[in-house]
Amino acid sequence: DQQVKQNSPSLSVQEGRISILNCDYTNSMFDYFLWYKKYPAEGPTFLISISSIKDKNEDGRFTVFLNKSAKHLSLHIVPSQPGDSAVYFCAASSSGSARQLTFGSGTQLTVLP
Amino acid sequence: NAGVTQTPKFRVLKTGQSMTLLCAQDMNHEYMYWYRQDPGMGLRLIHYSVGEGTTAKGEVPDGYNVSRLKKQNFLLGLESAAPSQTSVYFCASRQSVYGYTFGSGTRLTVV
Repeated sequence: DQQVKQNSPSLSVQEGRISILNCDYTNSMFDYFLWYKKYPAEGPTFLISISSIKDKNEDGRFTVFLNKSAKHLSLHIVPSQPGDSAVYFCAASSSGSARQLTFGSGTQLTVLP
Repeated sequence: NAGVTQTPKFRVLKTGQSMTLLCAQDMNHEYMYWYRQDPGMGLRLIHYSVGEGTTAKGEVPDGYNVSRLKKQNFLLGLESAAPSQTSVYFCASRQSVYGYTFGSGTRLTVV
């Protein structure tokens, strides 16, 4: 049973427009959420995170929104750039169990020039 | 450069062979993790360690063993490789909840 779900395997967006990547979770014990970006043949790299006590966190072009009642989070990228083309993973963790991360299956974002 | 180094980067094994994947970090992190990534799936936790000399099972531990004899190294062993263990393996380390650092991965094929 997947505790973190990314229902869109792929997303294509025009350069300069907004990219919205979505993630749903089922485990109410999750209290920290992260987004990772992954290029081919590389490991995931940290992008942005949010604690469950917040509903929004912003870092430059990247904003993460958290809706706890809906158990849903989203990543907004504005404006999208061709270099943003990568696989984006949503991950969640809870206190205890060494803060292990539970990952979604990823969304391949393609930003078209 | 500081970071997480995984060796080897690629390996092809025959069914039944054994091998050890090495993960080394130079950031003095306490926590280390082994994940596997399969097509259409996210990364799944195999084993993890909360400090030197400790190990614990993750979500998919069967068929794997680990050791953390030194703080900077976390070894993942396959005693008798099976085709189902064909995957990309990622090691990660962290000190804080923010600071997961991943290696670049080991692509393993079992034929």
